[in-house]
Order: sequence, then structure tokens, then C-alpha cells
Amino acid sequence: EAEVAQSPRYKITEKSQAVAFWCDPISGHATLYWYRQILGQGPELLVQFQDESVVDDSQLPKDRFSAERLKGVDSTLKIQPAELGDSAMYLCASSLGARTENTGELFFGEGSRLTVL
Amino acid sequence: GENVEQHPSTLSVQEGDSAVIKCTYSDSASNYFPWYKQELGKRPQLIIDIRSNVGEKKDQRIAVTLNKTAKHFSLHITETQPEDSAVYFCAAVGWGQNFVFGPGTRLSVLP
Repeated sequence: EAEVAQSPRYKITEKSQAVAFWCDPISGHATLYWYRQILGQGPELLVQFQDESVVDDSQLPKDRFSAERLKGVDSTLKIQPAELGDSAMYLCASSLGARTENTGELFFGEGSRLTVL
Repeated sequence: GENVEQHPSTLSVQEGDSAVIKCTYSDSASNYFPWYKQELGKRPQLIIDIRSNVGEKKDQRIAVTLNKTAKHFSLHITETQPEDSAVYFCAAVGWGQNFVFGPGTRLSVLP
């Protein structure tokens, strides 16, 4: 069964350092999402892509976070510089998106757990 | 934008009892309502969903009901088992396919 791939699974970094996360969605999925999940809370959307275009990045702290999906397939989320409050699980998810008439199932990756010291 | 509330935040039930989790949403344009289960250290996975043109949907021991007028929907788990213990998230989705999640309910099924 196809899965959303993410790396790294775990990342420990010091504050002010740069960190990057990678996501490869399920093949054919047009919509890709990056969520941040703080322990004990629900996932919060950071950015949503439709193919290579950003659909929603209203909650992305653009002074330190950036995201790209250059060829409309895999995606990278970067944080520079990292702050203590960025410690969280970063979940990537994908769905068929506009390629289906109805909203389809959202498939999550295993996540990248970030710890900022 | 959409706002989703979820109650209770924690729920403990005896094995074999039923569990009910309720969510409310704010945007009347939302038309898709999935429920995800997240076990400790694992990814959220879809367990059941409902679209706005349906009032109820059932899949074995789990069911979801939707009241569009009141803008709330609920997850019902019957005959709970220890493996049902997890965190459950509801979500509301509109035409932009932006999934807005509730804060989650930690369900503990006591043997």
C-alpha cells in the first residue's frame, strides 16, 4: 500500500540553527499539506499546495518558515532560525485533491519530530 | 475561517461500554467531516467520514452522525475494546479542501 514518506523521523537541533524536512506524497496526489502538531493538540495547518502552487500559507510564520513543492511532487519545509517553540511533530499529508470530484481521504506520513534545544 | 471544537478532551470508559465524542464547526460551507484515530507515536489514520448530504453513517462498531442545522457531528463507538484506546480527531473540510482539525479526545478503554 502506498504511503506518504517523510524524513528525517527525528531531528534534534540547537536554537538559531536551520532545519529542513522532506515529504514525498502518494503518487498522483495533487494536494500536499504540512501540519504542525504540538503534543496533546490537533494538527494545525502550516501550508497547503495544489500541485506546485501554494493554496494557503496564512498560518505559516514566513519570517522563519518556508515551503516549496517545485515540481508538484515532493516538498521541503525549512525553518531558519529554529526557536525553542518550534519543537513539535511536523506532519505531511496528501490527498487526490482537485483530481477527484469530492474531497478525498487525507493520508498522513509518519511525521518528523523536531526538538529544539 | 473555520473553527472546530471537540469535547470531551479526555474520556475513560469500561470495556464493552459505548463512547461518544462531539464536535462543532463554525463554517456552514464545510461539507466533509472525517474522523482520525492516532495511536501513540503513530500517524493519524482515517476511521470514518461523512459528507454533508448524509445524516448518519455506520461501519461495524463505529458510527458518525451529522446535524448540519446545528453544525455539529459526533463519533459513536459501541462495544469498546482496549485497542480503541487512542486520540481521536475530528475535522471539518470546505471547498478549498482545507482540513481543520479539532483539538482531539484521548479515549481510554479500561479492561
